[in-house]
Amino acid sequence: GAVVSQHPSWVICKSGTSVKIECRSLDFQATTMFWYRQFPKQSLMLMATSNEGSKATYEQGVEKDKFLINHASLTLSTLTVTSAHPEDSSFYICSARGDTTGELFFGEGSRLTVL
Amino acid sequence: AQSVTQPDIHITVSEGASLELRCNYSYGATPYLFWYVQSPGQGLQLLLKYFSGDTLVQGIKGFEAEFKRSQSSFNLRKPSVHWSDAAEYFCAVGANYGQNFVFGPGTRLSVLP
Repeated sequence: GAVVSQHPSWVICKSGTSVKIECRSLDFQATTMFWYRQFPKQSLMLMATSNEGSKATYEQGVEKDKFLINHASLTLSTLTVTSAHPEDSSFYICSARGDTTGELFFGEGSRLTVL
Repeated sequence: AQSVTQPDIHITVSEGASLELRCNYSYGATPYLFWYVQSPGQGLQLLLKYFSGDTLVQGIKGFEAEFKRSQSSFNLRKPSVHWSDAAEYFCAVGANYGQNFVFGPGTRLSVLP
């Protein structure tokens, strides 16, 4: 089946640094990818919709300058948490929508801890 | 705006017992309905989905769900739970895959040996 890979799975960084998380669709093309944030014991909250070759669409309340999204190819979207602070610590999950079937596949998630 | 509720935050069942996880939704049109499972520290895996047609949907791992329009529900069932089913389960509703996708708060399932 279709696979979406996120990297890194775990990342620990110092406050003030920037962290990049990659989301790759391994065996299918995805014009549209989605980024979610999940707090402990809570549901997924959509942060933004990433469209290949265009600017991402952010949900209300999500800081565009804080969470930079780039979707440079049909198989790769990146989320960069800029000037990370402890409150940015969370589980970030991406999903990719297959261009052919429209089906949605989720990555394994990336756990960010900001010290 | 669409919304999804999962009334049960945490359910504990014995291995071999039957299971039903509740999901209620609010949506202005015919919804696309999904159930996902998430193991600790993992991403989401699709269990099953309903778009149209037969209201009883079969999924992977022996799960099934029934769409009841009159009750705005899409409850997930399994006749005999296995210890490996312990996980977090999310119901979701959307206009299509990914579009206006809303997740419920989740139900954590614990399985007793």
